[in-house]
Amino acid sequence: DAKTTQPPSMDCAEGRAANLPCNHSTISGNEYVYWYRQIHSQGPQYIIHGLKNNETNEMASLIITEDRKSSTLILPHATLRDTAVYYCIVPRSGTYKYIFGTGTRLKVLA
Amino acid sequence: DTAVSQTPKYLVTQMGNDKSIKCEQNLGHDTMYWYKQDSKKFLKIMFSYNNKELIINETVPNRFSPKSPDKAHLNLHINSLELGDSAVYFCASSQDFQGAKPAFFGQGTRLTVV
Repeated sequence: DAKTTQPPSMDCAEGRAANLPCNHSTISGNEYVYWYRQIHSQGPQYIIHGLKNNETNEMASLIITEDRKSSTLILPHATLRDTAVYYCIVPRSGTYKYIFGTGTRLKVLA
Repeated sequence: DTAVSQTPKYLVTQMGNDKSIKCEQNLGHDTMYWYKQDSKKFLKIMFSYNNKELIINETVPNRFSPKSPDKAHLNLHINSLELGDSAVYFCASSQDFQGAKPAFFGQGTRLTVV
C-alpha cells in the first residue's frame, strides 16, 4: 500500500552527506511527507516531516520538490551510527496511518 | 524516561497459549498504535486507538484484541497463539491522528511461538 518509491540500498562514506531520495508522485495537496529510520531491530525513529517547504532539524534536512512529487532526506555528516533502514512515508489523507514500505538500507562506511 | 515503553521485551510461548503485551506512553498523547514486523521486516499497522476508542483495525484476526484502559495505555492480548504470530510487535503513540503529528515508537516485543 505504500505510496512511495525508494532505492533499496545506498552506501555513504563516513563524514559525507547522505542524500536519500523518495518518489511520491501521487501525493495529494494536503498530505505530508514523513521520514523515519530503523536501526537494526530497534523501534522506528521519527526523523523529520514536511508539507511543501524545506525543513531542517538537529537530525536532518528535508528537501521537497516544488511539484511535491519527490523529496530528499539529507544527513549532512553521516556517522556509522546512521546505518539503518530509512523509510519515506506519506500517510493516507485523513487517516494519518503510517504505511511502511521497504525503505532504503543506508550503510555508512568507515 | 522512556517515552513509549513495552513489556515484555521478549516473549517465548507455546502454540495455543494466550498472552498479553503491555504498552504505556508518558507523552500525554491521545493516539496509540500497534504494529507488527514479520521476519521479512515488513512493518504493518494493526490497530489504532484515539482517546481509548478504536479508529483503525487492519483486518487483524479476532484472536488479537487491543485494550485501552486509559489513553496512556494500549495493551495487546492474543488468544490461541499460532506459529505465524511470531514477530516483533511495536507500540507507538502520536499527539493525535489529525494534522501533522509524528508517531513515536517503543522498542518492540519479540514474540516467539514454538
